[in-house]
Amino acid sequence: DTAVSQTPKYLVTQMGNDKSIKCEQNLGHDTMYWYKQDSKKFLKIMFSYNNKELIINETVPNRFSPKSPDKAHLNLHINSLELGDSAVYFCASSLRRAHGANVLTFGAGSRLTVL
Amino acid sequence: EDKVVQSPLSLVVHEGDTVTLNCSYEVTNFRSLLWYKQEKKAPTFLFMLTSSGIEKKSGRLSSILDKKELFSILNITATQTGDSAVYLCAVADKGGSEKLVFGKGTKLTVNP
Repeated sequence: DTAVSQTPKYLVTQMGNDKSIKCEQNLGHDTMYWYKQDSKKFLKIMFSYNNKELIINETVPNRFSPKSPDKAHLNLHINSLELGDSAVYFCASSLRRAHGANVLTFGAGSRLTVL
Repeated sequence: EDKVVQSPLSLVVHEGDTVTLNCSYEVTNFRSLLWYKQEKKAPTFLFMLTSSGIEKKSGRLSSILDKKELFSILNITATQTGDSAVYLCAVADKGGSEKLVFGKGTKLTVNP
C-alpha cells in the first residue's frame, strides 16, 4: 500500500553511465516532483510536473531529463553520470490546493552512488 | 531567491528535555511554512502554518509562526528517543510555482 514508491532504492554505477529512477504514486495526486538531497541533508527541488506538464525546471544540468507518461508516474533519467551526482533522489507528490501550500508526500528515496 | 535558515544545525539532549527548533525565512510572497520530520528515509509531514500567532499542536509537538518577524519555532516537550531525526522547515510562495524551499534541517539526537 505504498503511497509514493521509487525504484531502485539503491544504485551504484560508474562515471559516464546512464541510469534511470522510476516513481509511481497511488494517491490520486496531480503534481509530482523530484528533489535531490546531498550529503549534508539539503533537499533541493529539481523538477515538478502537474498533470504531465512540466511546471518547475530548476537550474539542473540537461543530463537530467524527467519524463511523466501520466500523472501517476514521474521518471528521472540521468546521462553521463558524474561523481557530483551522488546523492539521494526523492520523488514526491501532492494535490494542488486553492489555499495553503501543497503538502508533499515523499517516497523513500533512491540512493545513487557514482564511482 | 527564497531562503530558509534553520538553527541550531544539530542538538543533543536527554530524554525528557524540552527542545525548541528555529526556522527563519525570506520569501518574496509568503504562502505557507511547513515542518517535516526525516528519520532514516522519507520526510514525513508534521505541520503547515499559514497564519501568524496560531499554534498548531500534535501530541508533544507544537509549532507557531510569526509572519512579522519571519520565523517559526517547533517545540517538542518531554522528548523521547523516537524523536531523534532531522527536522526540516520549508516555505512556499504564492508565485504560482508548486515548489517548497527547504532549510538545511536541524539534527536532533535524544539520548536515553
